[in-house]
Amino acid sequence: DTGVSQDPRHKITKRGQNVTFRCDPISEHNRLYWYRQTLGQGPEFLTYFQNEAQLEKSRLLSDRFSAERPKGSFSTLEIQRTEQGDSAMYLCASSGGHQHSPLHFGNGTRLTVT
Amino acid sequence: GENVEQHPSTLSVQEGDSAVIKCTYSDSASNYFPWYKQELGKRPQLIIDIRSNVGEKKDQRIAVTLNKTAKHFSLHITETQPEDSAVYFCAALNSGYSTLTFGKGTMLLVSP
Repeated sequence: DTGVSQDPRHKITKRGQNVTFRCDPISEHNRLYWYRQTLGQGPEFLTYFQNEAQLEKSRLLSDRFSAERPKGSFSTLEIQRTEQGDSAMYLCASSGGHQHSPLHFGNGTRLTVT
Repeated sequence: GENVEQHPSTLSVQEGDSAVIKCTYSDSASNYFPWYKQELGKRPQLIIDIRSNVGEKKDQRIAVTLNKTAKHFSLHITETQPEDSAVYFCAALNSGYSTLTFGKGTMLLVSP
């Protein structure tokens, strides 16, 4: 399967704990995005990488959130001191080539904070 | 930043009817407008897109129209089938950025 893969598919954690998610993009894609989706809403942009450089970050993104893409391949998204409001589906997407290249989404990681 | 409004939030049609979903955007610099389909429990998938230098694009039963002056674009699905039932999201890309802003989605239900 050469699609975008995300791990884990589901994560249940207690409030205050730290969690880390992983995304493996399509191998030839240099652009990687993290989005968050809650029930009944569209995907909300979190952050964007081109190769290993983090080029954009949502103003809505709390400083408890951090993302990395150390070698320009896979990426991790960490949430520190989780809150119940962090419960959502976290979607990773990748694209290649030019700015208008289609986004290919992964299946997401569903986070539940209890 | 960009703001994308999408209507309606839900749409029920009979099989064979047409469905139209409309979106408006706020930033006149936006120049790329994709549409994604998300089936229950699955990932969003691109179904069609349009660039600002084109007014209309068609792919079999799906078409998208763009009115740059009014800053709105629409998805048209003809001869709807039950398998078209899903949530549809419009999105807009500002040329100064590299990230899409999505609408809140339209749940389309096609009844046999």
